[in-house]
Amino acid sequence: GEDVEQSLFLSVREGDSSVINCTYTDSSSTYLYWYKQEPGAGLQLLTYIFSNMDMKQDQRLTVLLNKKDKHLSLRIADTQTGDSAIYFCAESIGGTDKLIFGTGTRLQVFP
Amino acid sequence: GAVVSQHPSRVICKSGTSVKIECRSLDFQATTMFWYRQFPKQSLMLMATSNEGSKATYEQGVEKDKFLINHASLTLSTLTVTSAHPEDSSFYICSARRTGRDEQYFGPGTRLTVT
Repeated sequence: GEDVEQSLFLSVREGDSSVINCTYTDSSSTYLYWYKQEPGAGLQLLTYIFSNMDMKQDQRLTVLLNKKDKHLSLRIADTQTGDSAIYFCAESIGGTDKLIFGTGTRLQVFP
Repeated sequence: GAVVSQHPSRVICKSGTSVKIECRSLDFQATTMFWYRQFPKQSLMLMATSNEGSKATYEQGVEKDKFLINHASLTLSTLTVTSAHPEDSSFYICSARRTGRDEQYFGPGTRLTVT
């Protein structure tokens, strides 16, 4: 199947790290993505990782990929109130342009 | 770079009427655009893949006669919701894939309300 699962909600204190997890099912996925959606807005591409990589770091963002377990995570260091949003992971279906999105994790950052 | 716009951002229409939503890639060419639908507090569901100069590919369960897609140029795709019903009310988001690249860039979305 093409199900991408995420936990629904995460609450963290400002300045702490946030870790958002995602499990996917298509082992042929070429790329895995993380998108951010603020209320009433479209999706902003945060980062992506190629399937042959284990880790990618981009400023405050660190993506970890465990292909064996089909597990993807996004770590946000020094989380700020502006990071409050819904975060979606997405996998590209092998050999196609199609993206399958996860269920989304709502991140709430409190002072 | 890689800006995608949608117009209108919000539209209210009466049942039975048709409404057209535009998706434009402003600073790049997009051979392929995608149309998604998002219900409140839910994830995005791919409706169709739009390829410039050819017919769109619809996902299973999406009525192609109801959701008409036209991708007439490398920077513009349109989605027309025909004979709209209240259950078509949703947030419609498009994305564009830059020609020769893999990333998709998303528009800001269009909120459709059918009364």
